[in-house]
Amino acid sequence: GAVVSQHPSWVICKSGTSVKIECRSLDFQATTMFWYRQFPKQSLMLMATSNEGSKATYEQGVEKDKFLINHASLTLSTLTVTSAHPEDSSFYICSARAPPGQGSYEQYFGPGTRLTVT
Amino acid sequence: TQLLEQSPQFLSIQEGENLTVYCNSSSVFSSLQWYRQEPGEGPVLLVTVVTGGEVKKLKRLTFQFGDARKDSSLHITAAQPGDTGLYLCAGDSGTYKYIFGTGTRLKVLA
Repeated sequence: GAVVSQHPSWVICKSGTSVKIECRSLDFQATTMFWYRQFPKQSLMLMATSNEGSKATYEQGVEKDKFLINHASLTLSTLTVTSAHPEDSSFYICSARAPPGQGSYEQYFGPGTRLTVT
Repeated sequence: TQLLEQSPQFLSIQEGENLTVYCNSSSVFSSLQWYRQEPGEGPVLLVTVVTGGEVKKLKRLTFQFGDARKDSSLHITAAQPGDTGLYLCAGDSGTYKYIFGTGTRLKVLA
């Protein structure tokens, strides 16, 4: 149990275009999902907290108009990188947390999406 | 801003050796998790510790949470090549939002 998927696993796009990344909890409902980015050989940096049915909470320094997050259902959150630039190239990872009563507050990670902007 | 510093940053050892990775902060955490990440994949949860002084064992891995819940350590006994990876600690200050440590890249040579 507790499987989180991401789609696509990798994507290459041209500078100036937008890219949408999906994060799904496959066997549990997640009221909260988190989006991270990871640069090569570095740790994960939290970008934002996505709450089902409400606006996402962004970490300091993360542009909310550039990284659009939508958590429309208890099993799906999407991250859209708008007007992507080469410096947005990174490994984007989501995680999902089960709500109270469904086990624990542990978070389960997706396999990540590698974005390359040319 | 909460910071979790891990040491060492890099570690290359021979198969069979023991090692300890440290995760330190000036902040108190209600819980702390350890993950291992392989290249191109998401982190995989190894353990969650919640009580100050708690010790948990997972086969050859021993995890300890500091008494003050500001630090943690991961000890690996008789390391194997399969232990190679990026080890990450992540702390929750009570908001159920985990902040990740700086990471320790381990390479175990056969």
